[in-house]
Amino acid sequence: GENVEQHPSTLSVQEGDSAVIKCTYSDSASNYFPWYKQELGKRPQLIIDIRSNVGEKKDQRIAVTLNKTAKHFSLHITETQPEDSAVYFCAASTSGNQFYFGTGTSLTVIP
Amino acid sequence: GAVVSQHPSRVICKSGTSVKIECRSLDFQATTMFWYRQFPKQSLMLMATSNEGSKATYEQGVEKDKFLINHASLTLSTLTVTSAHPEDSSFYICSAGPRAYNEQFFGPGTRLTVL
Repeated sequence: GENVEQHPSTLSVQEGDSAVIKCTYSDSASNYFPWYKQELGKRPQLIIDIRSNVGEKKDQRIAVTLNKTAKHFSLHITETQPEDSAVYFCAASTSGNQFYFGTGTSLTVIP
Repeated sequence: GAVVSQHPSRVICKSGTSVKIECRSLDFQATTMFWYRQFPKQSLMLMATSNEGSKATYEQGVEKDKFLINHASLTLSTLTVTSAHPEDSSFYICSAGPRAYNEQFFGPGTRLTVL
């Protein structure tokens, strides 16, 4: 099955700085890569996603890049704000919609 | 659109009892739903794929006789934790997506505590 690795497990940045979280996957058949933000005790919320036919996608302060050859994708958050503090999960999925999640990154934005 | 609900949100039960958790897609039909469990400060672990009208597909290491899944309609899947034990205490969360899309929407989760 798919194996998704995520780094770092914890990340602290100063408000206004950028944060980068990286994931690798093992199954070359994976074609959909979402990123979720989860606050304590709540459900994961989709923040951005990318499909395998695209190399980069941006939505305001958030961007995701995908390198299919190397099987890795990254989340970039610019101009971080305290409300960005949460746990972020990457995931990889094939067309069957089964998601395999990374181990999560706890992001803390220091005011 | 694409709202997924889950019930109950929280349940406390005695060891040895069974607990049923419901997952509903409120504004779309879902032939497939997914069940995950999440331990504190850990990632979501896929437990099984719930298939409408057929048997669920379980991930390796997940006991199908302990975690019974029934997907009786296009909007409802249930997970029953049978003979629950304290080690089954966890956050259980389901997801579903509209047909033809990869995007998954998560339910609010159910926190199970087995005493």
